[in-house]
Amino acid sequence: DVQLVESGGGLVKPGGSLRLSCAASGFTFSSYSMNWVRQAPGKGLEWVSSISSSSSYIYYADSVKGRFTISRDNAKNSLYLQMNSLRAEDTAVYYCARVMGGTTFDYWGQGTLVTVSS
Amino acid sequence: QSVLTQPPSVSAAPGQKVTISCSRSSSNIGNIYVSWYQHLPGTAPKLLIYENDKRPSGIPDRFSGSKSGTSATLGITGLQTGDEADYYCGTWDSSLSAGVFGGGTKLTVL
Repeated sequence: DVQLVESGGGLVKPGGSLRLSCAASGFTFSSYSMNWVRQAPGKGLEWVSSISSSSSYIYYADSVKGRFTISRDNAKNSLYLQMNSLRAEDTAVYYCARVMGGTTFDYWGQGTLVTVSS
Repeated sequence: QSVLTQPPSVSAAPGQKVTISCSRSSSNIGNIYVSWYQHLPGTAPKLLIYENDKRPSGIPDRFSGSKSGTSATLGITGLQTGDEADYYCGTWDSSLSAGVFGGGTKLTVL
């Protein structure tokens, strides 16, 4: 079975940094593009970032560009999100999601909560 | 502001049918693939429909997707209390090089 397990969330002060991880299993990780999607409290889903299977193509939402960095380690079946210069508005549950067919997020993890507060 | 627009809420009685629309703000939705997701807060979002009208294995045929003109539609028949959730349309927008989601629709089964 496909499994995606996020970790690394927590409480951080504004301006601080955090690194999220997503451990993948049950599929050939190196064959799929992966994404991060977040949901702020009381808000809807917001796409954050995407990375292609070989890391050749990387995209970011305007709201995180220049502050967040997505990466992956295909040897470790892991996806990462380095988050710097965090702001209160980055407070959210962060989900990793696998991409199927270029347009569909077919499997999602349970999410990890990031709280940015002083 | 979402590129895809959904109604904030819909409601219907158990056993009835409900539809949720998803329209694209900037252009015709006809040239993109739309997916639909069911989300209960605190849980992993679940794929219900992909490529406009396809169901992944394990998704009952009570759930259907369609697309026409300027909008896509999720249909749910035989409503059950367990269907109460937030529903999102989404896609990868090649013109933006970005993932996009609708604002979400809260379904209440009265």
